[in-house]
Amino acid sequence: GQQVMQIPQYQHVQEGEDFTTYCNSSTTLSNIQWYKQRPGGHPVFLIQLVKSGEVKKQKRLTFQFGEAKKNSSLHITATQTTDVGTYFCNAGGTSYGKLTFGQGTILTVHP
Amino acid sequence: EPEVTQTPSHQVTQMGQEVILRCVPISNHLYFYWYRQILGQKVEFLVSFYNNEISEKSEIFDDQFSVERPDGSNFTLKIRSTKLEDSAMYFCASRGGRANYGYTFGSGTRLTVV
Repeated sequence: GQQVMQIPQYQHVQEGEDFTTYCNSSTTLSNIQWYKQRPGGHPVFLIQLVKSGEVKKQKRLTFQFGEAKKNSSLHITATQTTDVGTYFCNAGGTSYGKLTFGQGTILTVHP
Repeated sequence: EPEVTQTPSHQVTQMGQEVILRCVPISNHLYFYWYRQILGQKVEFLVSFYNNEISEKSEIFDDQFSVERPDGSNFTLKIRSTKLEDSAMYFCASRGGRANYGYTFGSGTRLTVV
């Protein structure tokens, strides 16, 4: 997989606040996948974005793929304590290609 | 929902001993992977496996590591002579043949080398 930069590295929010994490690439991506890892848990696939400008929603989570397919964002509306964890974006390569994990964004939600 | 199953969940071994970590990927998946995560660090790729052979491996995956799919369902990672620095959480993952499917990870095996 291709390397993407993700910001911020850490985010602390109060429960009920919104949260956004961003992924940026210097090259055009074929697709991008988002994963969540709870503390002490394993990565869990959230979604894949493929099309330019694509927006997908999963309840309070909104995923966007930029028009140029070089950036992506994950926005959580009204965070809950269950949203705590590390959110990773991964640039997809070939169908069998490995995932290359960055540091992700570590989200802490204060009740 | 289909799961990737890993056993054991915890393994403690003496330095220099051999360990085998076991995984049962999702039955109709074609691509299999091992990753590891040292405590507090990011998830690192070890190896990918397709069509009964290694398709890619990282620098971490040296001669002390090997993988096998002995019976069409299990997928194992063997560490021949464990070192203290092999202590980590080891995740198995699998993926189907369709490009839209994400990777499904197992719950991991926590390996502690003492």
